[in-house]
Amino acid sequence: DGGITQSPKYLFRKEGQNVTLSCEQNLNHDAMYWYRQDPGQGLRLIYYSQIVNDFQKGDIAEGYSVSREKKESFPLTVTSAQKNPTAFYLCASSPGPNTGELFFGEGSRLTVL
Amino acid sequence: AQRVTQPEKLLSVFKGAPVELKCNYSYSGSPELFWYVQYSRQRLQLLLRHISRESIKGFTADLNKGETSFHLKKPFAQEEDSAMYYCALSGQAGNMLTFGGGTRLMVKP
Repeated sequence: DGGITQSPKYLFRKEGQNVTLSCEQNLNHDAMYWYRQDPGQGLRLIYYSQIVNDFQKGDIAEGYSVSREKKESFPLTVTSAQKNPTAFYLCASSPGPNTGELFFGEGSRLTVL
Repeated sequence: AQRVTQPEKLLSVFKGAPVELKCNYSYSGSPELFWYVQYSRQRLQLLLRHISRESIKGFTADLNKGETSFHLKKPFAQEEDSAMYYCALSGQAGNMLTFGGGTRLMVKP
């Protein structure tokens, strides 16, 4: 079954701990993205990668880090430097540039205790 | 800078009534606009894009550059249209979409 898989779906973290969210896709898409979804604020872009071994900061990259060592994988690390990490995180991929069509995962909800 | 505004957080209509979800944008160049939808317990997915000028599930949206708007319309709402709707703009190379805050549409029986 093709698509984007995010894990875990729910994650709890203590303050001061880093946590890594997984995103895997088997759609053979070059580009991948991480968005943060907060009520009333829509989706805000954290990081994106248009090709393996390359990634760029989005609008709210502070306190986050990513890697893109494989085409299929784009993990997001929420570091202790992120001031307000409790949120819903969405991973997406796209088949190519300028299509405007993103394919989304089911999301991961991170709660900091 | 590019920005997308959806002024209504919640829109409630009765089944069979017309519905219009508002979207306004700011962008100095020539934008591409999209509507994404998220049904309950489903993934966020593309509904339609302005360059296609198509009708999907009875929904249409026209880009009005003079008013910088891209409102989503449907003449007769159905209960299955109840969902979260996001307007999005792509104003630069690639797919770095800027999303609005979203509007929750509730269609009552």
